[in-house]
Amino acid sequence: EDQVTQSPEALRLQEGESSSLNCSYTVSGLRGLFWYRQDPGKGPEFLFTLYSAGEEKEKERLKATLTKKESFLHITAPKPEDSATYLCAVQADDYKLSFGAGTTVTVRA
Amino acid sequence: DVKVTQSSRYLVKRTGEKVFLECVQDMDHENMFWYRQDPGLGLRLIYFSYDVKMKEKGDIPEGYSVSREKKERFSLILESASTNQTSMYLCASSSTRTDVSYGYTFGSGTRLTVV
Repeated sequence: EDQVTQSPEALRLQEGESSSLNCSYTVSGLRGLFWYRQDPGKGPEFLFTLYSAGEEKEKERLKATLTKKESFLHITAPKPEDSATYLCAVQADDYKLSFGAGTTVTVRA
Repeated sequence: DVKVTQSSRYLVKRTGEKVFLECVQDMDHENMFWYRQDPGLGLRLIYFSYDVKMKEKGDIPEGYSVSREKKERFSLILESASTNQTSMYLCASSSTRTDVSYGYTFGSGTRLTVV
């Protein structure tokens, strides 16, 4: 069974304090690893897809990396507007997405 | 701007009622999905559909059914609502079964409370 584990569950940062979120996974035949951002009361919003180990993608202050067993989402010099829950998901050979429980990030000014 | 629209943001229903949650996408996507999201459990797949009139069970289908009569519309039905079905329900769509480039597009969710 595909498993996705995110850590930490919650992360409180000071504005400008860089940090990383972890997503570890076990999956049979990884087709893609996804990162989403979810604001309170809203649906998840797509950020990145990573396909293979060694791949990196960036968007503003966010950078996602992928190894064979885990992915990291690095937040560089975060701002209060980066406060959200970040979700990781994997797509396996059956094409379905399996999600982690998320990391809730709070950035204080 | 592509959209997945869920008909209700908030619903309160009584135990035993039949509940319909509606989802419409305007992107001509083939695939549509229903998830529920609970604190600490993440998103769990209830049902999905890769084509009109086609449906497949996800990981937690018990107590639910779905209908997809048109490509753009995917309905989730709670046959007899129970309090353990109180949750946030999220609808999503994706272009094709194999295209993973853009992941899924999600609706804003329906927060259902069963009393």
